[in-house]
Amino acid sequence: GAVVSQHPSWVICKSGTSVKIECRSLDFQATTMFWYRQFPKQSLMLMATSNEGSKATYEQGVEKDKFLINHASLTLSTLTVTSAHPEDSSFYICSARDNEAKNIQYFGAGTRLSVL
Amino acid sequence: GNSVTQMEGPVTLSEEAFLTINCTYTATGYPSLFWYVQYPGEGLQLLLKATKADDKGSNKGFEATYRKETTSFHLEKGSVQVSDSAVYFCALENSGNTPLVFGKGTRLSVIA
Repeated sequence: GAVVSQHPSWVICKSGTSVKIECRSLDFQATTMFWYRQFPKQSLMLMATSNEGSKATYEQGVEKDKFLINHASLTLSTLTVTSAHPEDSSFYICSARDNEAKNIQYFGAGTRLSVL
Repeated sequence: GNSVTQMEGPVTLSEEAFLTINCTYTATGYPSLFWYVQYPGEGLQLLLKATKADDKGSNKGFEATYRKETTSFHLEKGSVQVSDSAVYFCALENSGNTPLVFGKGTRLSVIA
């Protein structure tokens, strides 16, 4: 089946540094990708919708300057957490919508970010 | 607006027990409905889906039927295994390019 690769799977960084997370669709094209944040034992919170070739659409309460999203190709979206702080520590998950099967989203395995 | 409500866990069952996880939804129009499963430390995997009323999604022994009259999509399995221990998310997608709307998730623990 379709695979979404998310990298890195785990990252530890110092407070104040920036971290980039990649989300790649490996065998399909995805004009639309989504970024979610998941707190321990809670559901997924949609952060933003990433659209290839245009600006991302952020959900209310999500700082666009803090969480930079770039969707430069049909197979790659990146989320950069800028000037990370301990409260940004979380599990970040991306998903990609298959252009050929629009009601199906495939999820990455997630990235656990720990900010010291 | 669109929303999904699923039963709160955790749910603890013995191996081979019958499983039901309730899910109801509120949506405008005719949404597609999904169950996703998240194993410890991993992302979400699509378990099954149904795109219209009375459709039954099934996979790995799990089933769910799209009930428009009760706006429900309950997940069932006749005989659970320890390997089914995970968090299960009910979700809907209303149409087109809209994001999935997730329930809060139900943690299932199956003990031998």
